[in-house]
Amino acid sequence: KQEVTQIPAALSVPEGENLVLNCSFTDSAIYNLQWFRQDPGKGLTSLLLIQSSQREQTSGRLNASLDKSSGRSTLYIAASQPGDSATYLCAPGNQFYFGTGTSLTVIP
Amino acid sequence: DTGVSQDPRHKITKRGQNVTFRCDPISEHNRLYWYRQTLGQGPEFLTYFQNEAQLEKSRLLSDRFSAERPKGSFSTLEIQRTEQGDSAMYLCASSYRQGLNYGYTFGSGTRLTVV
Repeated sequence: KQEVTQIPAALSVPEGENLVLNCSFTDSAIYNLQWFRQDPGKGLTSLLLIQSSQREQTSGRLNASLDKSSGRSTLYIAASQPGDSATYLCAPGNQFYFGTGTSLTVIP
Repeated sequence: DTGVSQDPRHKITKRGQNVTFRCDPISEHNRLYWYRQTLGQGPEFLTYFQNEAQLEKSRLLSDRFSAERPKGSFSTLEIQRTEQGDSAMYLCASSYRQGLNYGYTFGSGTRLTVV
């Protein structure tokens, strides 16, 4: 069974800071990895999907990296805004397992 | 077709009653997944379908739970004889398998409260 760990569990930063969220997984035989955002009481919104052949994927202020061999992915958020406050979840490809997420609070 | 739809959004039921949830995936997606999520936890996998075939079921899916996807389109998740421990958010996701690379699209979920 894939074990997924996300560190830190919670993070509080002032507006404008750059930050990094970490995801590690035990089974590196994955075809992709997906990062999601979840607002309280809502479903998951896909942020980035990185294929195993890629090392990075970017969307706006978000950049995700994937190192399959070490079982790690990072989500970098540049110039954080209060609207970024949410829980961020990673899902190593197509194996049905999620981490417990990082709860981010951006303070105005 | 703008995304994955789940109905109802909220359901309050008395312990012992049966409940049924519906999920309408993105039309061109051939895979459909059900997850359960409790407060502070990530989604826990319950089951998934490829077209109408149910290919995998988690041990979390006790015999009180049943899921169907009769024509490979929408799916239903039924919980019989609900218990308070069934209170959770039930999430549906769909995906399209193109080669080996595909990502999930999630619905907004159905929040179940068993009183």
